Amino acid sequence: EAGVTQSPTHLIKTRGQQATLRCSPISGHTSVYWYQQALGLGLQFLLWYDEGEERNRGNFPPRFSGRQFPNYSSELNVNALELEDSALYLCANQDTLNTGELFFGEGSRLTVL
Amino acid sequence: GDSVTQMEGPVTLSEEAFLTINCTYTATGYPSLFWYVQYPGEGLQLLLKATKADDKGSNKGFEATYRKETTSFHLEKGSVQVSDSAVYFCALSDPPTGANNLFFGTGTRLTVIP
Repeated sequence: EAGVTQSPTHLIKTRGQQATLRCSPISGHTSVYWYQQALGLGLQFLLWYDEGEERNRGNFPPRFSGRQFPNYSSELNVNALELEDSALYLCANQDTLNTGELFFGEGSRLTVL
Repeated sequence: GDSVTQMEGPVTLSEEAFLTINCTYTATGYPSLFWYVQYPGEGLQLLLKATKADDKGSNKGFEATYRKETTSFHLEKGSVQVSDSAVYFCALSDPPTGANNLFFGTGTRLTVIP
């Protein structure tokens, strides 16, 4: 069974541009989390989607947004990119039926120049 | 509110040394506890977990015991290898099912030198 997959692996943008990152969850998993991991820092919770709805968001400005599609895949959009948006963006599914553990994708590394 | 407090790094050890990374938590309910590992350039992987008090999670020579009385879940390994160099995250899920109650520690970077 395929795990969580993210694309692109790497993305380079310039300030002011927009970035779109994609996540395909494990088959049958409806809950998708997005985290930001800036260099040398821990995970910062960005967004949580479940059953197509945004359930919660972290302490990030509105230019960070996303959506979840009927097949439970998800997009993260970052508008008006700033240099400090450079980070590894991680998508994860949660096992909501048993232990609550997260299954992470490999991440998308966004570099803003 | 719930939280996870993790030993700050970085931690540098020689190969075959003993490893302990401390993790304590606060929780309102009965959480599940996890250690995740992030190898260089990769996403996070579950290392081990424990779902109830006194459970011991183990994997790849790493162990952690869910101690309710001390609200701790310290990660240990008896003899580290260079390949264990990574960032380790302690985390809890409270309640253990039903999403969104996930809390991560800040991560501890481990470097093992030959």
